[in-house]
Amino acid sequence: KQEVTQIPAALSVPEGENLVLNCSFTDSAIYNLQWFRQDPGKGLTSLLLIQSSQREQTSGRLNASLDKSSGRSTLYIAASQPGDSATYLCAAPIQGAQKLVFGQGTRLTINP
Amino acid sequence: DGGITQSPKYLFRKEGQNVTLSCEQNLNHDAMYWYRQDPGQGLRLIYYSQIVNDFQKGDIAEGYSVSREKKESFPLTVTSAQKNPTAFYLCASSIVGRELFFGEGSRLTVL
Repeated sequence: KQEVTQIPAALSVPEGENLVLNCSFTDSAIYNLQWFRQDPGKGLTSLLLIQSSQREQTSGRLNASLDKSSGRSTLYIAASQPGDSATYLCAAPIQGAQKLVFGQGTRLTINP
Repeated sequence: DGGITQSPKYLFRKEGQNVTLSCEQNLNHDAMYWYRQDPGQGLRLIYYSQIVNDFQKGDIAEGYSVSREKKESFPLTVTSAQKNPTAFYLCASSIVGRELFFGEGSRLTVL
């Protein structure tokens, strides 16, 4: 059974800092892992998808890494801005099933 | 523009009524999903479909029904059997095994 955990549940940092969000999963036999952003009252926006054959994926100021052996993924945000404030969720697939298990998310606040 | 359209955005229901949430996608994705989101509980899978005329129950299917008569459409009916239907409902789609995309959500409130 796949379980996905995100710690911390909330994080507040001053503008301009680099920061790392963590995602842990229990079943390492995954074929990909996806990171999302959710603004209040909105749907989820896909940020990055890392395939199991990759170790990193980058998009602008975002960099996601995947370490299957340790069951961990991290989302690195460089030079944070107030507009980065949102809830960030990671999701990993269940082996043998075409569906994802989501973490509870990390609520990020960037203070001007 | 390509994307996923959910309607209505807000919906109010009286107890004992069935309501249907619409989800339409023009991304040519085979797989479609319905999730429910409650404060402090994350996203929970209600139903999913990988092909037309076929769908599978997720983790919390009781009190819900779906149909998949067209590739583009995956409506969700919240029946009177669902005892606690007030929630934020999210529809998503993907090419099977690939990146998942979401609609903007529908907020259902039971009066």
